[in-house]
Amino acid sequence: GDSVTQMEGPVTLSEEAFLTINCTYTATGYPSLFWYVQYPGEGLQLLLKATKADDKGSNKGFEATYRKETTSFHLEKGSVQVSDSAVYFCALTDSSNTGKLIFGQGTTLQVKP
Amino acid sequence: EAGVAQSPRYKIIEKRQSVAFWCNPISGHATLYWYQQILGQGPKLLIQFQNNGVVDDSQLPKDRFSAERLKGVDSTLKIQPAKLEDSAVYLCASSYTPGSHEQYFGPGTRLTVT
Repeated sequence: GDSVTQMEGPVTLSEEAFLTINCTYTATGYPSLFWYVQYPGEGLQLLLKATKADDKGSNKGFEATYRKETTSFHLEKGSVQVSDSAVYFCALTDSSNTGKLIFGQGTTLQVKP
Repeated sequence: EAGVAQSPRYKIIEKRQSVAFWCNPISGHATLYWYQQILGQGPKLLIQFQNNGVVDDSQLPKDRFSAERLKGVDSTLKIQPAKLEDSAVYLCASSYTPGSHEQYFGPGTRLTVT
């Protein structure tokens, strides 16, 4: 079945460092891809999305490009801030087209001042 | 616009007891989802409703879990009897339609089974 694999965490960076969180997927058909973020004590929030190959999603300085040839959707940010400390989840809509999300296991990001 | 509401936020019960969680989705959202998030894992869909009908409950442990959305608005998820492995955060999410690309999540209910 469809699945998502994320890099293991925690990822610890200094403020203003470059961030990459790797995400690869296995899917039949053409899923939409998402990054969700969970800040401490809060619910999951959609960070960005891409609905077809070569689309780039972006929000709050974060970017991710839908790469069909490498089945990847890596999250990047050029300069992280302490406020970016959170858990990041990569997800896809499964092939049933019901809107069901399949999530990766999450990657914890810690940004130190 | 009010977000997805869930209650309670925290619940501690002993194994074999029963528990119920409540969710009120965003007004006008026809699709409602319940996810289970075990510590260190991503959320896993338990059940999806479209209005008051079930779209997908393939991963719901039906011998102990039940859910309803009688009037197509708020929803209740019940566990009876609870097991230790049910300790998790239970997330409710809603979207305008099943094909909508954005699901809005509530804050979750953290269940601890002792």
